[in-house]
Amino acid sequence: DSGVTQTPKHLITATGQRVTLRCSPRSGDLSVYWYQQSLDQGLQFLIQYYNGEERAKGNILERFSAQQFPDLHSELNLSSLELGDSALYFCASSPQGGNQPQHFGDGTRLSIL
Amino acid sequence: DAKTTQPTSMDCAEGRAANLPCNHSTISGNEYVYWYRQIHSQGPQYIIHGLKNNETNEMASLIITEDRKSSTLILPHATLRDTAVYYCIVRVYTDKLIFGTGTRLQVFP
Repeated sequence: DSGVTQTPKHLITATGQRVTLRCSPRSGDLSVYWYQQSLDQGLQFLIQYYNGEERAKGNILERFSAQQFPDLHSELNLSSLELGDSALYFCASSPQGGNQPQHFGDGTRLSIL
Repeated sequence: DAKTTQPTSMDCAEGRAANLPCNHSTISGNEYVYWYRQIHSQGPQYIIHGLKNNETNEMASLIITEDRKSSTLILPHATLRDTAVYYCIVRVYTDKLIFGTGTRLQVFP
């Protein structure tokens, strides 16, 4: 158990819809990261938050957004969903970032019908 | 971040040591070598990391060559539960992890 909690574990929805994925980091971790894993793209970094502020951005689509709340949990919002957004979405956390290891949750499997 | 090259797949007998190589010939002086693994579709699991010196923890050992252009992850006594995709990642003081395609390790009885 990594200590990172992601909900829901599975999500099935239709094209055009909007969903919210939730992540609770390990106790004491200030940095939260979001990654997407699809069959054709592998694991890709989306975005990082540190203590409530956006710190780094990767290949995140404009239809996607994230935020980190004062209690340090984070949400990833995906809107106008397309079939290609079907993927596993992982959240990871680390104490402060930099060279400290990131610890991953078990992911949310998103299926778009 | 430097690019890494890993074999696509490897086999290992249960109880034997699994030695997973990684080439990172363009690594720079301040880049760390990280190893993660992903068992089936679970979240990636941190294994070990190092800069110059060899490192060991309860899961594995990391051997980095003196010129730092390659490294080897050693699982001393592989079990069936070690069957996974193993990722070697090098990164400097940037926060994101860049995952390649990794090595699929199959441990057989």
